[in-house]
Amino acid sequence: RKEVEQDPGPFNVPEGATVAFNCTYSNSASQSFFWYRQDCRKEPKLLMSVYSSGNEDGRFTAQLNRASQYISLLIRDSKLSDSATYLCVVNMEGPDGQNFVFGPGTRLSVLP
Amino acid sequence: DGGITQSPKYLFRKEGQNVTLSCEQNLNHDAMYWYRQDPGQGLRLIYYSQIVNDFQKGDIAEGYSVSREKKESFPLTVTSAQKNPTAFYLCASSMGGLPGKLFFGSGTQLSVL
Repeated sequence: RKEVEQDPGPFNVPEGATVAFNCTYSNSASQSFFWYRQDCRKEPKLLMSVYSSGNEDGRFTAQLNRASQYISLLIRDSKLSDSATYLCVVNMEGPDGQNFVFGPGTRLSVLP
Repeated sequence: DGGITQSPKYLFRKEGQNVTLSCEQNLNHDAMYWYRQDPGQGLRLIYYSQIVNDFQKGDIAEGYSVSREKKESFPLTVTSAQKNPTAFYLCASSMGGLPGKLFFGSGTQLSVL
């Protein structure tokens, strides 16, 4: 079983749609959680950190369920500019430092 | 402006040649990382360093080498032992401790001639 798994995608949605991405992680000792956005042939950029209480940033809402080892990202009112690959990232601090584990990503295409 | 600078943006390697990818950061971050990304795939960890003069192998270290002589610099050498080096290489850094956000350079695309 992979350490971090995501919806395989791609997701093709019309402008204005609401879309949800799911991510599961296998290591229950994981300590911090993130969603990154990556455009084609560019570096990943931090979209949101994910907290147990859930957090919202404009059209984006992230949720964490530690008991189920599950993270989600909801995008409301999709824009063309939201088209990208969304990466789920899990971090755990150990004796050798921090260990960031990336999911394979879910690609989103928002269509006019 | 603070950030991470990777160079070159594109690099071509001949058979049997070693090539070095540069990564410099002025964020005063302790930890630095090298990742490899193949088309349509996620990021895989090659090497990481938590402190100057110390580094650890990641999941796919074979055929690669690194050094960390200065806090700001973490160059990656792709050796001739790496038989399939064509990929997008990303350097990242983070401040120690949690939550530990990663900041990335703009990447180097390495191709084999």
